[in-house]
Amino acid sequence: GAVVSQHPSWVICKSGTSVKIECRSLDFQATTMFWYRQFPKQSLMLMATSNEGSKATYEQGVEKDKFLINHASLTLSTLTVTSAHPEDSSFYICSARPRGGVWTGELFFGEGSRLTVL
Amino acid sequence: LAKTTQPISMDSYEGQEVNITCSHNNIATNDYITWYQQFPSQGPRFIIQGYKTKVTNEVASLFIPADRKSSTLSLPRVSLSDTAVYYCLVGMNSGGYQKVTFGTGTKLQVIP
Repeated sequence: GAVVSQHPSWVICKSGTSVKIECRSLDFQATTMFWYRQFPKQSLMLMATSNEGSKATYEQGVEKDKFLINHASLTLSTLTVTSAHPEDSSFYICSARPRGGVWTGELFFGEGSRLTVL
Repeated sequence: LAKTTQPISMDSYEGQEVNITCSHNNIATNDYITWYQQFPSQGPRFIIQGYKTKVTNEVASLFIPADRKSSTLSLPRVSLSDTAVYYCLVGMNSGGYQKVTFGTGTKLQVIP
């Protein structure tokens, strides 16, 4: 089946540093990748949509200069949290839409990356 | 934009059938209905998807009435391991591309 892998699965960093999270589709090419953020006991909040080779589209209220998204290939998207602060501590999840065919809305999700900023 | 409404939480005893209903009054003609399951600190996992009538797979059934304004996820004979949050999603077309946003989900607690 379609597998999406995220790395790292958890990371602890000091306030002011930058953290990069990778999202890879292991056995398929992804036309589009989505990045979500989830706070404890809350639902997933869509942060941005990235298409291979183009700039990401950010949801309202999400700072594009703080959450840098790069989708350099059809199997890799990265999210960089720049100058992280404690309020950025959250569970970050990526998902991928397979390339080709008629998309019915099914997504394949990564395992998530838990970021803790001290 | 299709918005979904689900009960916040449900409790069920082991071995019972659980039905979770989702309302999506503004569903578009080309939208599919997809259900995901999420365990704590994990990414959501696909359960089932449908467009109309009934769909069944090895883990669940999905019932969609003719007007498609709601759908019901049916989990037969739940076990403790089915304790999770269940999300109902419909596609959203915005600016020429489709994105997927999550509602509140339903937290299912299976009781021994």
